[in-house]
Amino acid sequence: DAGVIQSPRHEVTEMGQEVTLRCKPISGHDYLFWYRQTMMRGLELLIYFNNNVPIDDSGMPEDRFSAKMPNASFSTLKIQPSEPRDSAVYFCASSFRPGPEAFFGQGTRLTVV
Amino acid sequence: AQSVTQPDIHITVSEGASLELRCNYSYGATPYLFWYVQSPGQGLQLLLKYFSGDTLVQGIKGFEAEFKRSQSSFNLRKPSVHWSDAAEYFCAVGADRYDYKLSFGAGTTVTVRA
Repeated sequence: DAGVIQSPRHEVTEMGQEVTLRCKPISGHDYLFWYRQTMMRGLELLIYFNNNVPIDDSGMPEDRFSAKMPNASFSTLKIQPSEPRDSAVYFCASSFRPGPEAFFGQGTRLTVV
Repeated sequence: AQSVTQPDIHITVSEGASLELRCNYSYGATPYLFWYVQSPGQGLQLLLKYFSGDTLVQGIKGFEAEFKRSQSSFNLRKPSVHWSDAAEYFCAVGADRYDYKLSFGAGTTVTVRA
């Protein structure tokens, strides 16, 4: 298996634009997580899905952020409109059970200018 | 609330030398402790975990960690580092073994010199 695949690896966008980050989890994994990593706040869990259903989105910072998982092999994290403070590395991770043993993707480095 | 402190922001070690990374946690109940490694440009990878039992746990890549309840510590060690161990290391604490909302430390960056 190729592991968790995220795209794009890098994204630079202007403030106010819509940004969509994509994730393909490992086949067979029922749990999918979106994290954000910044220097100031470290690694934060934004949302997690189980069997394509959002279970806990309490970490989503604002209504500008939304996440979907239309099927077992694809998830998106959308920011609309984007702001400079959204600049961070966004990680997607998947696992076959809840807990800390998820497999992480390489991340998407987002820069909002 | 649970929290983790990693006192060392950056450590430089010579290849072949031993490495110890410090981690102190704060948690009112029995902690579930984890160490992760993040290599440059990569996501986090779980190195090892402690739930109960033997306080010295072995992980992947030759790492081990020791849980000391009296000191609220869970320090990570490796007897002989390799250049490929250059990475950022994160300690984390959770409420149980399936806790997906871990509290992460700020991380320690390890540089390995030849």
